[in-house]
Amino acid sequence: EAGVTQFPSHSVIEKGQTVTLRCDPISGHDNLYWYRRVMGKEIKFLLHFVKESKQDESGMPNNRFLAERTGGTYSTLKVQPAELEDSGVYFCASSPQAQGKLFFGSGTQLSVL
Amino acid sequence: GQNIDQPTEMTATEGAIVQINCTYQTSGFNGLFWYQQHAGEAPTFLSYNVLDGLEEKGRFSSFLSRSKGYSYLLLKELQMKDSASYLCAVSPNFNKFYFGSGTKLNVKP
Repeated sequence: EAGVTQFPSHSVIEKGQTVTLRCDPISGHDNLYWYRRVMGKEIKFLLHFVKESKQDESGMPNNRFLAERTGGTYSTLKVQPAELEDSGVYFCASSPQAQGKLFFGSGTQLSVL
Repeated sequence: GQNIDQPTEMTATEGAIVQINCTYQTSGFNGLFWYQQHAGEAPTFLSYNVLDGLEEKGRFSSFLSRSKGYSYLLLKELQMKDSASYLCAVSPNFNKFYFGSGTKLNVKP
């Protein structure tokens, strides 16, 4: 069974540019989460999808971040325009049910210069 | 607010036992999870506690006391491959998880 896959694994962009991160959850997992870890800090919740619907987006830092999950399959997280403080590792995770263990992807290391 | 504390780093010797503590304060509780993360890799699930007591799974055990807001992960018969970060995470509701900063465990020969 394929795990959660994220693309790209690394992205280096300049301040003001746009970046789109992609996550393919495990097939059949309705729940998809985005988390991020900035340097030296804890992994923080960004948002939660149930199928194509945003269940909770209370962790999204501001309106420069836009997450979508068209068709309830893969998800994208767009940062536009990127700022220096957006640098960090963005993790995607999925689970078959809302209460239960998360299956994580390896993350996208985003560096904004 | 939500607060989850765990030690930043620990060192132990191969073959020994190590206990990684986690204390938490969250509004709501639907379970406590432990994840293992090797450098550059995805966090992987280790254990889940929702009721008080000890859950044992091979060399790894996890304990929970809800009244004290306390958990620990116990690793026995340490192996070099156990060198990793261990993340404590609390789920206050069904939508999200709050993570501690992680404990980096160094296993020495």
